[in-house]
Amino acid sequence: DQQVKQNSPSLSVQEGRISILNCDYTNSMFDYFLWYKKYPAEGPTFLISISSIKDKNEDGRFTVFLNKSAKHLSLHIVPSQPGDSAVYFCAARLDDMRFGAGTRLTVKP
Amino acid sequence: NAGVTQTPKFRILKIGQSMTLQCAQDMNHNYMYWYRQDPGMGLKLIYYSVGAGITDKGEVPNGYNVSRSTTEDFPLRLELAAPSQTSVYFCASSSFNRGFNYGYTFGSGTRLTVV
Repeated sequence: DQQVKQNSPSLSVQEGRISILNCDYTNSMFDYFLWYKKYPAEGPTFLISISSIKDKNEDGRFTVFLNKSAKHLSLHIVPSQPGDSAVYFCAARLDDMRFGAGTRLTVKP
Repeated sequence: NAGVTQTPKFRILKIGQSMTLQCAQDMNHNYMYWYRQDPGMGLKLIYYSVGAGITDKGEVPNGYNVSRSTTEDFPLRLELAAPSQTSVYFCASSSFNRGFNYGYTFGSGTRLTVV
């Protein structure tokens, strides 16, 4: 039962443009949503989170949007930089954390 | 400033062998977790602990055991290794308070192959 889904396994964008990573979930009881970033041979690192009572949270170049009616969240990175190239995991929290399968972002110079 | 330390980084096991994956954190976090990541899949929770002496099963606990005798350490034991346990294992810790979420701190992972 995959409660958190990232349907795009990969995304490629040009440096300076916007990257939009998407995530869908099925359980309306999740109270927090998070994005993690993972470089090869490293563990995931926490990037940004949003409470279920909000619809937007911004931190520098990173903004997370939450659409509760659609059970959908997205991560926007503006402007994208080559150092942003990594795998991004969406996660949702109830009593524990449920992770999506990840989207590999490649930012081309 | 070590954070979460996992050892070993790589290991090859033969079917039926046993091993312990070590995890230690120095942030005084009360919550600790073990996840596994299979190719093309999200991280799946194996076991977690909310404090010393308290552990509970996650989504995929079969074939594994844990203990939490101290706040710092949370070892994962594999008994009778099987090829289905070939995966990358991540340990994580957190000190989250419901109402404000800091996210988890992850170790760098242990890549385990069972042959």
